[in-house]
Amino acid sequence: KAGVTQTPRYLIKTRGQQVTLSCSPISGHRSVSWYQQTPGQGLQFLFEYFSETQRNKGNFPGRFSGRQFSNSRSEMNVSTLELGDSALYLCASSCTGYGLTDTQYFGPGTRLTVL
Amino acid sequence: KNEVEQSPQNLTAQEGEFITINCSYSVGISALHWLQQHPGGGIVSLFMLSSGKKKHGRLIATINIQEKHSSLHITASHPRDSAVYICAVMEYGNKLVFGAGTILRVKS
Repeated sequence: KAGVTQTPRYLIKTRGQQVTLSCSPISGHRSVSWYQQTPGQGLQFLFEYFSETQRNKGNFPGRFSGRQFSNSRSEMNVSTLELGDSALYLCASSCTGYGLTDTQYFGPGTRLTVL
Repeated sequence: KNEVEQSPQNLTAQEGEFITINCSYSVGISALHWLQQHPGGGIVSLFMLSSGKKKHGRLIATINIQEKHSSLHITASHPRDSAVYICAVMEYGNKLVFGAGTILRVKS
């Protein structure tokens, strides 16, 4: 089976722009989670989607949003980008319906740089 | 105080040594994850625990729910084990919180 894929792998944007990142889970996986990793804050949980519904959400402002499609592919969007949004954005999928209490399979990440 | 504390922050070991990384948390949890991150960013899930002990190859993870503590052990360490090891807990209320990570370097 192919692993979790994320596109694009690298992205450079300027402040005020918006960005959309894509994640394709492992075939058959219905739960997709998103994470932000920065040198200062480490790994932080953004949100989790299951069957096209947001099931869990971390403590991020409303500029961070996501969605999941019927084929389980997920996108996250960040609007009005700030310098502090520069980070590695990771998505992960899991096999069962237990989501975050199940083994997470991580994608390679999208490295976003905001100038 | 962080909700998830890992120790040590940095660890250097000689090849073949037995390694222990600790994770303590302060609230009730439904699950605990141990993750491994290599340079370049790729993250691999090593274990997901809700009780007891799990073993995979040279890696062993244990959790003590009463003491709110988990340990990750690496036996017969090897330079390829060099990575950042991250503990994450799933708190009741569905909040996933990560530790800051332990940077492990195994020298040959």
